[in-house]
Amino acid sequence: DIVMTQSPDSLAVSLGERATINCRSSQSILYRSSDRNGLAWYQQKPGQPPKLLIYGASTRESGVPDRFSGSGSGTDFTLTISSLQAEDVAVYYCQEYHTSYTFGQGTKLEIK
Amino acid sequence: QVQLVQSGAEVKKPGASVKVSCKASGYTFTNYFMHWVRQAPGQGLDWMGIINPSGTRTTYAQKFQGRVTMTRDASTSTVYMELSSLRSDDTAIYYCAREVRTGIGAANCWGQGTLVTVSS
Repeated sequence: DIVMTQSPDSLAVSLGERATINCRSSQSILYRSSDRNGLAWYQQKPGQPPKLLIYGASTRESGVPDRFSGSGSGTDFTLTISSLQAEDVAVYYCQEYHTSYTFGQGTKLEIK
Repeated sequence: QVQLVQSGAEVKKPGASVKVSCKASGYTFTNYFMHWVRQAPGQGLDWMGIINPSGTRTTYAQKFQGRVTMTRDASTSTVYMELSSLRSDDTAIYYCAREVRTGIGAANCWGQGTLVTVSS
């Protein structure tokens, strides 16, 4: 199975500042036929199910604020929150859906 | 609106089985793949498996092979996940989740979760 590794495990960012979370897969999750990546990002707040933010590595799900963006290809990916808001405090997970639907271990985002 | 409503919390003894249901509404049930994901207390997300729209094909994560069965009933728009030979480390919240669309394996609609507690 593919292993998904996120960094850092936790992150504290000041309100209005940029937050960056990284995700690395143990093998490429690029679909050569479509030049798309099988990578999603989720946000999970306490007591709630996960919420899809990004799929295809960079396509924002409908209704997700544009301060959330995804980038990367192949094995290295990044979720960026351009200007952190208080409601963005959560745990963030990446997931590959190219092969075995594996999730990363999660990154806890807090306010500094 | 699209909604997935799961069955209520369960308490089971080690060695028993549990069957969790997930009733879908607000969309054409037979057009979408469904996933099951679990989350142990204070832990991360653990993908369990997927069932195709017609219910004829399932793929399970290797760690659950032989213990998990996923089914779906189009007449009631319900998917089911049954886990057998329960152990204490199966204590978790179990979620059903619907894919964005065929070919996009990410899930954009999730059930509220069902807490399964395994305790003697």
